[in-house]
Amino acid sequence: AQSVTQPDIHITVSEGASLELRCNYSYGATPYLFWYVQSPGQGLQLLLKYFSGDTLVQGIKGFEAEFKRSQSSFNLRKPSVHWSDAAEYFCAVAPGRSTDKLIFGTGTRLQVFP
Amino acid sequence: EPEVTQTPSHQVTQMGQEVILRCVPISNHLYFYWYRQILGQKVEFLVSFYNNEISEKSEIFDDQFSVERPDGSNFTLKIRSTKLEDSAMYFCAGGRPNTEAFFGQGTRLTVV
Repeated sequence: AQSVTQPDIHITVSEGASLELRCNYSYGATPYLFWYVQSPGQGLQLLLKYFSGDTLVQGIKGFEAEFKRSQSSFNLRKPSVHWSDAAEYFCAVAPGRSTDKLIFGTGTRLQVFP
Repeated sequence: EPEVTQTPSHQVTQMGQEVILRCVPISNHLYFYWYRQILGQKVEFLVSFYNNEISEKSEIFDDQFSVERPDGSNFTLKIRSTKLEDSAMYFCAGGRPNTEAFFGQGTRLTVV
């Protein structure tokens, strides 16, 4: 069955520490891949996306993600976390085309301590 | 920068009542979507809409749900007879080929 897995439900880091949020997908072919961020009570903001080409993609707010076909992964990283990064992070895939419905992971809640 | 606008931001309704959630997508978008997020859960796809018809719908999108884009700008989601379990955040989104979907800020629906 097609699925998106975010193994970490909750992550806590100190401000200034590095961050990696994991995302694995299960599809027959390489889907379109996205990371969205949701601050409390807010909508979904796109951080970055991968459609094709360079497997390391840069996004907004200093985030980057690396697509690894062999591991069916699309992990999100940030070298130095800021307190304002505290939010819920969702990995999502569009199975066939960029305009396909998005399948979301269950999300990872990030807490940042000063 | 253009954005997807949803109204109202919060709606409270009594069980059994009809509600209409409204969305104004970005003007050059061709594909439109509704998603929902029950509190504390993941975002779930409800329906996609293209060329004035439903292109795909999920199992959640049963007969009590309907969508329409009556005037070429507003995109609405109607829930005919609300149930307690319809309480959720509802997100509208829009997109074009080879671009990501842009989401609105959501409408929080509370059914009492």
